[in-house]
Amino acid sequence: QKEVEQDPGPLSVPEGAIVSLNCTYSNSAFQYFMWYRQYSRKGPELLMYTYSSGNKEDGRFTAQVDKSSKYISLFIRDSQPSDSATYLCAMNSGGYQKVTFGTGTKLQVIP
Amino acid sequence: ETGVTQTPRHLVMGMTNKKSLKCEQHLGHNAMYWYKQSAKKPLELMFVYSLEERVENNSVPSRFSPECPNSSHLFLHLHTLQPEDSALYLCASSQDPAGAPDTQYFGPGTRLTVL
Repeated sequence: QKEVEQDPGPLSVPEGAIVSLNCTYSNSAFQYFMWYRQYSRKGPELLMYTYSSGNKEDGRFTAQVDKSSKYISLFIRDSQPSDSATYLCAMNSGGYQKVTFGTGTKLQVIP
Repeated sequence: ETGVTQTPRHLVMGMTNKKSLKCEQHLGHNAMYWYKQSAKKPLELMFVYSLEERVENNSVPSRFSPECPNSSHLFLHLHTLQPEDSALYLCASSQDPAGAPDTQYFGPGTRLTVL
């Protein structure tokens, strides 16, 4: 079993839709959860991070962590064509510990 | 220049060549990382340097040799690579690996093709 599972997509949605991106994980020691966005031919860019369970909101983006289910989500409201990218989840157990990444979900927002 | 820069952006090399990838961070961070990104696979951590000392080496073949002369610069020396080494090589930096979370900032990557 992979430590982090993420559906590679691609996921195509119309502009303005609410997008839900998800990851599951198996390591109960993970405490810090991150979402990165990677545009084509670019490196990943940190979008958000959360600690332990709960929600965090930043503009149109909401990150949600459910540690009891080992499930994390990223919601994008009012999606825009500029949101078209690959979204990577990442997590670690804190401090200096290896960050484990998902494979990434490719998202396409159709105008 | 701001953030994390990498050169070259693209590299094509034969299996007998020797080349080097360069990374520079302008963020004042203490830790630097090399990752390999292949299609349909998660990012693979290759090397970690903290304050110029290597702190992690994830069983990477010896044909990849990292060098960190100071906290702002990181190199990846390549020699006698294999075609399966073709991938996007990403450099990242973070402020303090002992802090939490370890939020890493990535460069644009070097797209490497081994013929």
